[in-house]
Amino acid sequence: GAVVSQHPSWVICKSGTSVKIECRSLDFQATTMFWYRQFPKQSLMLMATSNEGSKATYEQGVEKDKFLINHASLTLSTLTVTSAHPEDSSFYICSAPKGDTGELFFGEGSRLTVL
Amino acid sequence: RKEVEQDPGPFNVPEGATVAFNCTYSNSASQSFFWYRQDCRKEPKLLMSVYSSGNEDGRFTAQLNRASQYISLLIRDSKLSDSATYLCVVNGGSYIPTFGRGTSLIVHP
Repeated sequence: GAVVSQHPSWVICKSGTSVKIECRSLDFQATTMFWYRQFPKQSLMLMATSNEGSKATYEQGVEKDKFLINHASLTLSTLTVTSAHPEDSSFYICSAPKGDTGELFFGEGSRLTVL
Repeated sequence: RKEVEQDPGPFNVPEGATVAFNCTYSNSASQSFFWYRQDCRKEPKLLMSVYSSGNEDGRFTAQLNRASQYISLLIRDSKLSDSATYLCVVNGGSYIPTFGRGTSLIVHP
């Protein structure tokens, strides 16, 4: 079964609205989670590292005020795309490392379409 | 130089062929290594971890060469269902995973 769950799988919204995506670790505690974005036929791009109880660490070029990350508990991180625009349409995926080797478990991904 | 480099391909091979992918990494302190498989419009899924001694899982063999800083993935007897993008993932000492851009494999009849 899934180890990391992501919700929603699909979301379509109007330009200017905000969208929240949740990422949950189901059977382990994740002090760290990672958020990625993937455009069609392109590689996964790390957006930010979500840290439980502290501020997220954003990759260069990712606007922290646009992509709000909250990691309020050891099993939940949320990504909020604020004032979404069509160029934000993408596949957003979270992952969490588990165990001593840090094997990554991915959520199912959230496909965002902004009209 | 990118931290993790992969040949993006695509590798276009017939069913039954043997195909090999390499992935080079720049951080000599990297501690764990993985191959993931990503199907179109899906999330990556772990294919196999890569151990120093090398490991095999059915038709798949992974190797690690620390001296030359690369890992490899060998797929024998390719199936149509092997068509996917194969991602190399390297964990540095801080366990922040670094992804290669992926290698696209297309297996045709």
